[in-house]
Amino acid sequence: KAGVTQTPRYLIKTRGQQVTLSCSPISGHRSVSWYQQTPGQGLQFLFEYFSETQRNKGNFPGRFSGRQFSNSRSEMNVSTLELGDSALYLCASSLALSSYEQYFGPGTRLTVT
Amino acid sequence: DQQVKQNSPSLSVQEGRISILNCDYTNSMFDYFLWYKKYPAEGPTFLISISSIKDKNEDGRFTVFLNKSAKHLSLHIVPSQPGDSAVYFCAAVFGATNKLIFGTGTLLAVQP
Repeated sequence: KAGVTQTPRYLIKTRGQQVTLSCSPISGHRSVSWYQQTPGQGLQFLFEYFSETQRNKGNFPGRFSGRQFSNSRSEMNVSTLELGDSALYLCASSLALSSYEQYFGPGTRLTVT
Repeated sequence: DQQVKQNSPSLSVQEGRISILNCDYTNSMFDYFLWYKKYPAEGPTFLISISSIKDKNEDGRFTVFLNKSAKHLSLHIVPSQPGDSAVYFCAAVFGATNKLIFGTGTLLAVQP
């Protein structure tokens, strides 16, 4: 069974631009969660999507948004990029909503200059 | 405010010896704890977990201990192997939200 895939793996953007990251969950998994990893902050929860609806949300500004498609694939969008948005963005999929058993993708490394 | 803390950013251990990774938490409502391992260029992978009703869970070379009164959990790896070199994250969940709250990670280096 293929794992969670994320595209692109690396991205360089400039301040003020917007970016869209993509995540394809494990086949059959309906929940996709997004996390931001920065040095010194660990993994911080952004949001979780299940059946095309955002079900949980972390403490991030409205510049961070996402969506999920009917095939469970998910995209995350960050608008008006700031230098502090430079991070590794990880998505994780699970069979059920709010499941502890999450499978992570390799992440997208975003650098904002 | 960091609810889950890993105060040691790094740890170096000799092959064959015990590795002890520590994690402290502040929220007494957490009812489930997990450890994840992360290699460079890969996502975190689940390693071992423990429910708050237990104080120990063992899986092969990995044992997690939970001390609820001290709000402290630890991961023991015995014996340590070079392939264990990775970043280890502890995470906590409480039933009200089911969100995973991660610590900042500890980089373990096992020297051959």
